[in-house]
Amino acid sequence: KQEVTQIPAALSVPEGENLVLNCSFTDSAIYNLQWFRQDPGKGLTSLLLIQSSQREQTSGRLNASLDKSSGRSTLYIAASQPGDSATYLCAARTGGGNKLTFGTGTQLKVEL
Amino acid sequence: DAGITQSPRHKVTETGTPVTLRCHQTENHRYMYWYRQDPGHGLRLIHYSYGVKDTDKGEVSDGYSVSRSKTEDFLLTLESATSSQTSVYFCAISELAGEGGEQYFGPGTRLTVT
Repeated sequence: KQEVTQIPAALSVPEGENLVLNCSFTDSAIYNLQWFRQDPGKGLTSLLLIQSSQREQTSGRLNASLDKSSGRSTLYIAASQPGDSATYLCAARTGGGNKLTFGTGTQLKVEL
Repeated sequence: DAGITQSPRHKVTETGTPVTLRCHQTENHRYMYWYRQDPGHGLRLIHYSYGVKDTDKGEVSDGYSVSRSKTEDFLLTLESATSSQTSVYFCAISELAGEGGEQYFGPGTRLTVT
């Protein structure tokens, strides 16, 4: 059974800092890995999707990497801003049916 | 944003009553999913659909049933609601299977069972 872990559970950084969020998974036979952002009381917004054949994916100030052999993915946020404050979730797709297994998230706070 | 709506957005119901949540999409995506989100557990898959009238169980399907009679609608039914089913429920859609299937989520339904 796939298990996904995100460490740390919470992170507070000053504005402008570059930061890395970590995601690890136990079953390396994944189809892809998806990063989401969730604001309080809201739904999930898809940030990046990395296919199993890719090593990284970039969107603006965000860069996600994937190392299947070690069961790890990282989300790099450059020049953090207060508007980046949210909970970041990673999810791995394994098996049939497009089923995602989610981590419990990292709650990020970017302070002025 | 993907065209996904959920109704109702908030609901309070009593233990033992049936409840139906609706997910509606305008994207014509093949796959639809129901998740629940609880503190300490993250999001967990309840049921999913891979086409009209084609559904399968997820990780936490006990006490829930689903139906999909049209591409655009996916219904989640709690046959007899219990307090343990108090949660936030999210619907998601995706167009593709395997590597290509990015999932998009609806705004959620907050359900409280008293």
